[in-house]
Amino acid sequence: AQTVTQSQPEMSVQEAETVTLSCTYDTSESDYYLFWYKQPPSRQMILVIRQEAYKQQNATENRFSVNFQKAAKSFSLKISDSQLGDAAMYFCAYTEGGTGTASKLTFGTGTRLQVTL
Amino acid sequence: NAGVTQTPKFRILKIGQSMTLQCTQDMNHNYMYWYRQDPGMGLKLIYYSVGAGITDKGEVPNGYNVSRSTTEDFPLRLELAAPSQTSVYFCASSRRQGANYGYTFGSGTRLTVV
Repeated sequence: AQTVTQSQPEMSVQEAETVTLSCTYDTSESDYYLFWYKQPPSRQMILVIRQEAYKQQNATENRFSVNFQKAAKSFSLKISDSQLGDAAMYFCAYTEGGTGTASKLTFGTGTRLQVTL
Repeated sequence: NAGVTQTPKFRILKIGQSMTLQCTQDMNHNYMYWYRQDPGMGLKLIYYSVGAGITDKGEVPNGYNVSRSTTEDFPLRLELAAPSQTSVYFCASSRRQGANYGYTFGSGTRLTVV
């Protein structure tokens, strides 16, 4: 079974600084996708960024970027120019690709990010 | 667009009571999922469905049942509620190959069993 591990229960960053959240995963599949989701206090799950395993280029969305190391099975999230609104719980998630799968998501345990002035 | 609608948002149950958490989506998504999120933890898959009339167990199905009689609705039934079922429950949906097209989550139901 696939597993997703987030080893940092909590992280803190000052406003305007950069922070990196870590995620490792375990799979024997070659076709898969990785995600970072943000969960603010409202509980809403918000997609931050998505990476396809067969793409070597790291995904980027504005201030958010990933460092995808396929051989090491590592998928970290970098948040640049941190803002107060970035404070939230961040979840790393995995799903298999291809037809015939149910696209089930497997989540890590999350990292709570605090942003300070 | 309503997206994925979950009701109720909050509920307190007594041990041994039963209830149904409702989930409806209006995007004609084939795939639907139920997850639970325990305090300080990630989401764990309870049940999922790849289409009307088809359901399957996820990682933590014990104590729950589901049905999928229509594409839109995917209710989750709790029989004989136990304190271990205190959690936040999320319903989600996606098109086929959700990784390509994205997932839509409901806003969650916070359930407390006392």
